[in-house]
Amino acid sequence: RKEVEQDPGPFNVPEGATVAFNCTYSNSASQSFFWYRQDCRKEPKLLMSVYSSGNEDGRFTAQLNRASQYISLLIRDSKLSDSATYLCVVNSNSGYALNFGKGTSLLVTP
Amino acid sequence: EADIYQTPRYLVIGTGKKITLECSQTMGHDKMYWYQQDPGMELHLIHYSYGVNSTEKGDLSSESTVSRIRTEHFPLTLESARPSHTSQYLCASSEYLGSTGELFFGEGSRLTVL
Repeated sequence: RKEVEQDPGPFNVPEGATVAFNCTYSNSASQSFFWYRQDCRKEPKLLMSVYSSGNEDGRFTAQLNRASQYISLLIRDSKLSDSATYLCVVNSNSGYALNFGKGTSLLVTP
Repeated sequence: EADIYQTPRYLVIGTGKKITLECSQTMGHDKMYWYQQDPGMELHLIHYSYGVNSTEKGDLSSESTVSRIRTEHFPLTLESARPSHTSQYLCASSEYLGSTGELFFGEGSRLTVL
């Protein structure tokens, strides 16, 4: 089983829509959770960390469910500029590095 | 913007050649990493370093080697490139010794071995 598994994409949504991505992780001892964004043929960049109580940053909301080993990302009022691949990231078994999911591709259309 | 730089950005070489991918960061970060990413696939950690003279292999087996003689510099070397090494190589650094810090990535080196 992969360390981090994400929703298969792509997600095609119209501008203004709300879209949610899900992610599951296999290591119950994981302590650090993130969402990264990767534009086509670019490097990944941190979008937001995910905290146990859930957290919000503008139009983006991240939730963590430790019991189900599940992370989500909600994007409200989608913009064209939100089109990218969203990577779910969890710290590894040994804790020395981060494990990345394959990513979920989002395309926001006019 | 992150101050981490990779060269070359693109490289096309023949089988059997020795190559070195350069990575430098000016943020004074102790931890540095090399990830490998094929199109549409997840990033896989191939090497990491906690600091000067520290290098470790990552989760994905790789024939490449790394060195960390200076804090800011973490080059990756392939002694004899093969077509199976064709991939994108991403260098990253982070400030904290634990894995809770943000990773800052370079723009990547896209390698094609013919």
